[in-house]
Amino acid sequence: QLQLQESGPGLVKPSETLSLTCTVSGGSISSSSYYWGWIRQPPGKGLEWIGSIYYSGSTYYNPSLKSRVTISVDTSKNQFSLKLSSVTAADTAVYYCARQRYQLPQPNWFDPWGQGTLVTVSS
Amino acid sequence: DIVMTQSPDSLAVSLGERATINCKSSQSVLYSSNNKNYLAWYQQKPGQPPKLLIYWASTRESGVPDRFSGSGSGTDFTLTISSLQAEDVAVYYCQQYYSTRVTFGQGTRLEIK
Repeated sequence: QLQLQESGPGLVKPSETLSLTCTVSGGSISSSSYYWGWIRQPPGKGLEWIGSIYYSGSTYYNPSLKSRVTISVDTSKNQFSLKLSSVTAADTAVYYCARQRYQLPQPNWFDPWGQGTLVTVSS
Repeated sequence: DIVMTQSPDSLAVSLGERATINCKSSQSVLYSSNNKNYLAWYQQKPGQPPKLLIYWASTRESGVPDRFSGSGSGTDFTLTISSLQAEDVAVYYCQQYYSTRVTFGQGTRLEIK
């Protein structure tokens, strides 16, 4: 059964870069049927899609975050990663990685999700 | 972006009764070439990640109890729980994937009356 696990620092200083990695186990990240996405949830609030990546490196980003976001994939390690630059307190959230079903012409729903990791932006 | 608006924001229903959550999109998410509605529903319990319940607006994910059903087309969608159980207490989200810029509704909190 496919599992995803987020990892990375739980505390990031303002203006620095948030870096997280999602490790996929129980399946290959190189499947042609899936994209791999990042979604965040500020404490007590709703879900915000950050971006998604295909094993080939093709990406889609949320336009509201695009200038600060980079998502990359390492197929040899079965991992994909998120970098969010110039963070502020507004970026404090639980960050989830998830598999995103891909049926032409675009990525679809997310399933399954990782357990999530809380990242706090504070000095 | 396609804006997804759920109603109500919160809902209290008695055990065994029907719960209905609505989701409205700012533009149609019905793809004309395949007649599919590009909409999913998720359930999120406290301290847990969201769980996929329904995709293509009405297709139940494997393992999801049949008391959960999705309906609607175009811009108006409904998630129905036919007979509320205690374990259904959660926040429910709709998500459109018609656009590559996927967006979620703000969530509906479901509680026991």
